[in-house]
Amino acid sequence: DAMVIQNPRYQVTQFGKPVTLSCSQTLNHNVMYWYQQKSSQAPKLLFHYYDKDFNNEADTPDNFQSRRPNTSFCFLDIRSPGLGDAAMYLCATSRDMGPGNIQYFGAGTRLSVL
Amino acid sequence: GQQLNQSPQSMFIQEGEDVSMNCTSSSIFNTWLWYKQDPGEGPVLLIALYKAGELTSNGRLTAQFGITRKDSFLNISASIPSDVGIYFCAGQPGGSQGNLIFGKGTKLSVKP
Repeated sequence: DAMVIQNPRYQVTQFGKPVTLSCSQTLNHNVMYWYQQKSSQAPKLLFHYYDKDFNNEADTPDNFQSRRPNTSFCFLDIRSPGLGDAAMYLCATSRDMGPGNIQYFGAGTRLSVL
Repeated sequence: GQQLNQSPQSMFIQEGEDVSMNCTSSSIFNTWLWYKQDPGEGPVLLIALYKAGELTSNGRLTAQFGITRKDSFLNISASIPSDVGIYFCAGQPGGSQGNLIFGKGTKLSVKP
């Protein structure tokens, strides 16, 4: 059974129309991550939550926000999607931070911006 | 920032052949991970390596954590068509909080 679940798998939005992507986990892990992955590239970390503590990467645009209402769920909000935001968005979790903590990925949400 | 050099970028092989790919870094890593990503899916963990010199197998896959802690390789023996995909190395740099640094991936194509 999937342990990191992303919904929806495919999302189409219009230019400038806010969109929310969802991630849930059954692993009870402390850390949840959001990555952006463009075609033929490696995943790029946007931000992560350690429990309720939010950690933004320095180069993540303000257009991207996140919420973690409880241990199991984490949301990615794109306030005004541009054409350049079309990508695969990956959620991952790890038990803790620090060496040896493995990240487990969900199946991803493919976002299209029209 | 820190980077991982992953090679080769792509490989086209015949079914049954063995495959080797590697990642190198200019700095020390505490952990090396190898993931496989199928088209339209998320990365799936194949092998995790925690100690310098560690050699670990998972079925037809074998990976090693380099002695210098600056490199790792992944071997696939007797490739089959379902091995097709993109293989990513990822490492946790020494002294880091645990964020992963990813290689750029190796795209594997297998001809039946």
